[in-house]
Amino acid sequence: EVQLVQSGAEVKKPGESLRISCKGSGYSFTSYWISWVRQMPGKGLEWMGRIDPSDSYTSYSPSFQGHVTISAGKSITTAYLEWSSLKASDTAMYYCARGRSSGNYYGMDVWGQGTTVTVSS
Amino acid sequence: DIQMTQSPSSVSASVGDRVTITCRASQDISSWLAWYQQKPGKAPKLLIYAASSLQSGVPSRFSGSGYGTDFTLTISSLQPEDFATYFCQQANTFPYTFGQGTKLEIK
Repeated sequence: EVQLVQSGAEVKKPGESLRISCKGSGYSFTSYWISWVRQMPGKGLEWMGRIDPSDSYTSYSPSFQGHVTISAGKSITTAYLEWSSLKASDTAMYYCARGRSSGNYYGMDVWGQGTTVTVSS
Repeated sequence: DIQMTQSPSSVSASVGDRVTITCRASQDISSWLAWYQQKPGKAPKLLIYAASSLQSGVPSRFSGSGYGTDFTLTISSLQPEDFATYFCQQANTFPYTFGQGTKLEIK
């Protein structure tokens, strides 16, 4: 079964660091890029950035560039989303999703279950 | 950034109705568009990719059309399980962007 399994819910204080994970299985991990998507409580979807696990090339939304780091370990088929200094406004659900675009856009067809991040003093 | 504008923001409809949701891009995105369905507390689900291609396993009552800047998602005959929020997303240019969502509610 093709799946992305994310790490569990996190409760952190402002200023703390955090890394959440997304483990892929059931498919060739390096054949699809992984995107991270934020959903704040009661709000829509925001694309944060993506990584190509085959070469670790990353692209970020300007809204998130410099505040988060996306990385991947292809040997362990896992992607990461990391913060060095959390803010209360980072409180949200975070999804990873795999995608492919080769001459056309095939959408993000497999999603993780989501990781809830709560940042509160 | 390319702005994706969906309309309506919400719509009420009955089982069996035909519903159309539109998505307009602020610049030409060719056919680099996908549609997703999201139910409360769940991850989004891919419905349509490349503007008009039906994702495997998605019922044929869902269809997508459009090219360039104007796109539509149509549900031909609403079923109870279709009441959810729908998002369009462009992948023509970084950063990828989503529409604000359309909430489909039961009338």
